Amino acid sequence: SALTQPASVSGSPGQSITISCTGTSSDVGGYNFVSWYQQHPGKAPKLVIYDVSDRPSGVSNRFSGSTSGNTASLTISGLQAEDEADYYCNSYTSSSTLNYVFGTGTKVTVL
Amino acid sequence: EVQLLESGGGLVQPGGSLRLSCAASGFTFSNYAMTWVRQAPGKGLEWVSAISGGGGSTYYADSVKGRFTISRDNSKNTLYLQVNSLRAEDTALYYCARGFSDFWSGRKIDMWGQGTMVTVSS
Repeated sequence: SALTQPASVSGSPGQSITISCTGTSSDVGGYNFVSWYQQHPGKAPKLVIYDVSDRPSGVSNRFSGSTSGNTASLTISGLQAEDEADYYCNSYTSSSTLNYVFGTGTKVTVL
Repeated sequence: EVQLLESGGGLVQPGGSLRLSCAASGFTFSNYAMTWVRQAPGKGLEWVSAISGGGGSTYYADSVKGRFTISRDNSKNTLYLQVNSLRAEDTALYYCARGFSDFWSGRKIDMWGQGTMVTVSS
């Protein structure tokens, strides 16, 4: 089943926020294959973090990722208006024929 | 320019069928596994199906197994998804996306199309 994310997280410009993604030892806790996607309204998802903490070329270093146990986290530092979007985690899982599962999604609001 | 362009969506009655297509350009299509991801209106992302670069390996979510068929024509740089026995719960925006190597892995999906909408309703 889907990884668990908070429905919403908010912060003021310049602040840092962290989005959690909770799974199990069969997914987040068992493999270093967690990725994060940013999705603005009406747009396709965009990869911002892969392999827990790696950033694709062109993605701001304000985005960082980590894991602890069965929970992965995405931190956005120096929050900007353009960061307002939905964010989805994704992890390798041994419990699916497609081997990957998305999180439930988090709406980030910049106050 | 690297691009994925989906087509084939539309309004279909329950039990009906559609063939979704995804035309790729700007990269060596056969070198990459491809996938379909869907998003129901106002909902989250859901993996639907994937296929290896050569087409020899295919993968399906349990929710679509036996009803959907993924395929590709590397000579035409095109990915397909045949969707049969459609249900209301299949209503979604269907995205075509590229994996990071020729074998399937959802670990790093760095290119997405804009999606094609499938609406299942009587």
